[in-house]
Amino acid sequence: EAQVTQNPRYLITVTGKKLTVTCSQNMNHEYMSWYRQDPGLGLRQIYYSMNVEVTDKGDVPEGYKVSRKEKRNFPLILESPSPNQTSLYFCASSQNDLHGYTFGSGTRLTVV
Amino acid sequence: ILNVEQSPQSLHVQEGDSTNFTCSFPSSNFYALHWYRWETAKSPEALFVMTLNGDEKKKGRISATLNTKEGYSYLYIKGSQPEDSATYLCASWPTSGYSTLTFGKGTMLLVSP
Repeated sequence: EAQVTQNPRYLITVTGKKLTVTCSQNMNHEYMSWYRQDPGLGLRQIYYSMNVEVTDKGDVPEGYKVSRKEKRNFPLILESPSPNQTSLYFCASSQNDLHGYTFGSGTRLTVV
Repeated sequence: ILNVEQSPQSLHVQEGDSTNFTCSFPSSNFYALHWYRWETAKSPEALFVMTLNGDEKKKGRISATLNTKEGYSYLYIKGSQPEDSATYLCASWPTSGYSTLTFGKGTMLLVSP
């Protein structure tokens, strides 16, 4: 089944403890992207990637890192999480700029 | 940061009503316009990707039109059903190739039986 897989689905962590949210797609998509969803603010792009080793900042990149060492994987790294990074995170992938994104199931992160 | 606006914020209709929503985007900086449907507790699902001025797309009872010159798109739902209840998102892709996809805040539709 064609899908984008994110892990974990839920995570509660403490301020400052490094964490990684994994994202993997099995559709050989070129484009991958991370979004966060906050009430009243809509989906905001954190980072995006066009291909292996090609990444760029979205609208809200502060406090996040990404890497794209393999085409299928695009992990989101929070080096020192803070409470303002408590949010619902989505990974998404797309074949190219003329196709819609396929979204993962989401990761609900709480930083206390 | 692109400004993508959607209206109304929310809409409550009766089963069988037809309805429409608006998405506004910067016409000066446009390559493609996406529509997504997002049901509660699920992930957004792509409905349409539109690129040409005057383009119309249709999927069952849902259709969309695009005006790139004035920077807006309409999404129509004919004969709304309770299963159409969801948040409908539009997103603007400003340039071809490597670029960001900026979402509006969505229109939340509730269809009552």
